[in-house]
Amino acid sequence: AQSVTQLDSQVPVFEEAPVELRCNYSSSVSVYLFWYVQYPNQGLQLLLKYLSGSTLVKGINGFEAEFNKSQTSFHLRKPSVHISDTAEYFCAVENQGGKLIFGQGTELSVKP
Amino acid sequence: KAGVTQTPRYLIKTRGQQVTLSCSPISGHRSVSWYQQTPGQGLQFLFEYFSETQRNKGNFPGRFSGRQFSNSRSEMNVSTLELGDSALYLCASSLDFGSYNEQFFGPGTRLTVL
Repeated sequence: AQSVTQLDSQVPVFEEAPVELRCNYSSSVSVYLFWYVQYPNQGLQLLLKYLSGSTLVKGINGFEAEFNKSQTSFHLRKPSVHISDTAEYFCAVENQGGKLIFGQGTELSVKP
Repeated sequence: KAGVTQTPRYLIKTRGQQVTLSCSPISGHRSVSWYQQTPGQGLQFLFEYFSETQRNKGNFPGRFSGRQFSNSRSEMNVSTLELGDSALYLCASSLDFGSYNEQFFGPGTRLTVL
């Protein structure tokens, strides 16, 4: 069965600092991988996705992620965060049936 | 184009009652999925509907059910509510069924069971 592990439940960081949110997945087959963001009292918004091709994926709001098959990882990065990036971030893998399996989420807290 | 809408946004019920939540997908989207989000269990898939048929089901008891109408709108029902059913229920719509179809999420319905 596929699963997703987000290694950090909370990540505090100062404004304009770089950040990396870690995600590892387990799957014996080809995967589709996603990062979603959830702002307070809102639904999920897709940040970026990896379906195939280039392992470096660029998304919205300056985020990017790198698919690493050998390490089964899909870490999310941003070189310089803003206060407005404070939110919860979810890594997800799509299983063969087309349903999303989510990690437990990482709360990113950006401090001035 | 309007996004996914969910009604109501907030709901308070007592144990033993039943509840119905509604989801209107993006115009033209034919697939609707439901997820439950709780602090302890995170985001868990409930079920997916396409062309009025349940195509995928998560690991939830039979108290959780759903349906989809011919206009693709979907409802989910929870009967005999338990305290543990308190959660944010998210609906997502996509153009089609199967892999890969980007899912667009609504704002959710927050259910509190007292």
